[in-house]
Amino acid sequence: DIQMTQSPSSLSASVGDRVTITCQASQDISNYLNWYQQKPGKAPKLLIYDASNLETGVPSRFSGSGSGTDFTFTISSLQPEDIATYYCQQYDNLSFGGGTKVEIK
Amino acid sequence: EVQLVQSGAEVKKPGESLKISCKGSGYSFTSYWIGWVRQMPGKGLEWMGIIYPGDSDTRYSPSFQGQVTISADKSISTAYLQWSSLKASDTAMYYCARLLVGATTNRFDYWGQGTLVTVSS
Repeated sequence: DIQMTQSPSSLSASVGDRVTITCQASQDISNYLNWYQQKPGKAPKLLIYDASNLETGVPSRFSGSGSGTDFTFTISSLQPEDIATYYCQQYDNLSFGGGTKVEIK
Repeated sequence: EVQLVQSGAEVKKPGESLKISCKGSGYSFTSYWIGWVRQMPGKGLEWMGIIYPGDSDTRYSPSFQGQVTISADKSISTAYLQWSSLKASDTAMYYCARLLVGATTNRFDYWGQGTLVTVSS
């Protein structure tokens, strides 16, 4: 089975900061990676699919990149409403990474 | 508008059975896979399994194979997740989600609101 290692598990940043989360696959998964946002008490929401494609309606401060085994999710300018836990998901077997909790400093 | 509406919260005792539901609307229910995702208290997301309501083809995560049963009734656009004998460790929030499948893409693009299952004696 392909394992996904997501890091960091949590981070604290100031409003306006650039935030980066990484996800590493245990083997080559091409661009078969999605990113989701889960706000407290809410269902997850798809933000990025196929590693770098922004889902319709998602603000452009969110972006994704990478292919093969190494992937990056970026918030270019952190906003208060971005407080959430972010998950990567590879779709060879639909498994999720462990999540990254993003807080405001 | 695509919507997935899940059944309400449940409180059960260990050993009891349970079936929760997820009703789809605003799209062709038989043309998309539906998945179930578990989230234990304070923990991350775990994919449990998926079903294609068009022909009831079902796939389970190895972690959940034999532990739950996923089914669907396409006549009422509803998918189900059921347990025959609940354990305290089944206490969790359960989400259904529509799986968009393409030649080079698989993604959960719409999610239900979640069903909280509490198992306690």
